[in-house]
Amino acid sequence: EAGVAQSPRYKIIEKRQSVAFWCNPISGHATLYWYQQILGQGPKLLIQFQNNGVVDDSQLPKDRFSAERLKGVDSTLKIQPAKLEDSAVYLCASSLVQGAGEQYFGPGTRLTVT
Amino acid sequence: QKEVEQDPGPLSVPEGAIVSLNCTYSNSAFQYFMWYRQYSRKGPELLMYTYSSGNKEDGRFTAQVDKSSKYISLFIRDSQPSDSATYLCAMGRNNFNKIYFGSGTKLNVKP
Repeated sequence: EAGVAQSPRYKIIEKRQSVAFWCNPISGHATLYWYQQILGQGPKLLIQFQNNGVVDDSQLPKDRFSAERLKGVDSTLKIQPAKLEDSAVYLCASSLVQGAGEQYFGPGTRLTVT
Repeated sequence: QKEVEQDPGPLSVPEGAIVSLNCTYSNSAFQYFMWYRQYSRKGPELLMYTYSSGNKEDGRFTAQVDKSSKYISLFIRDSQPSDSATYLCAMGRNNFNKIYFGSGTKLNVKP
């Protein structure tokens, strides 16, 4: 079974630039999550999709972050404009069912904002 | 106060030692408790998943939950250098809600 795929693996941008990350979940997983993991911290949920609908985006900085999952499969997370404090690893995860349970994580995208 | 507290370590032990990793939490509504292992530059992978109080064993790993004390533990027996990673505890209120992660404990098992 293929795991969660993410690209790119690494990205370096200057502040005020924009960036986009892509995620392809495990086949058949209806729930998709985007997390932000700052160095030395645990992952923090940014947004959760159930199929192509948003379940929870309470911690997504909506003035600069956006995410979509148009066909209920793969997803993109965008930051525009980026700030220095956005430097982090952005993890995508998917699960067969919603919420607490077995979430399978991708390798993450390491973003550095200079 | 954070929802989940975890000592960041690092914790350094010799190969073969028993390792104890712990988390405390403040929300008594948490019912699901998980331990994830995260190798450097990789995503977290689920190690143990338990519901409510009690113990769960899987090979060299044992997870314990004490809801009365709001305290969970992960024990690793006969630790190996390949166990060197960051261990994240996580918990959730019910099966349809988001999970909250601790900050992770970095473990180093020396050969």
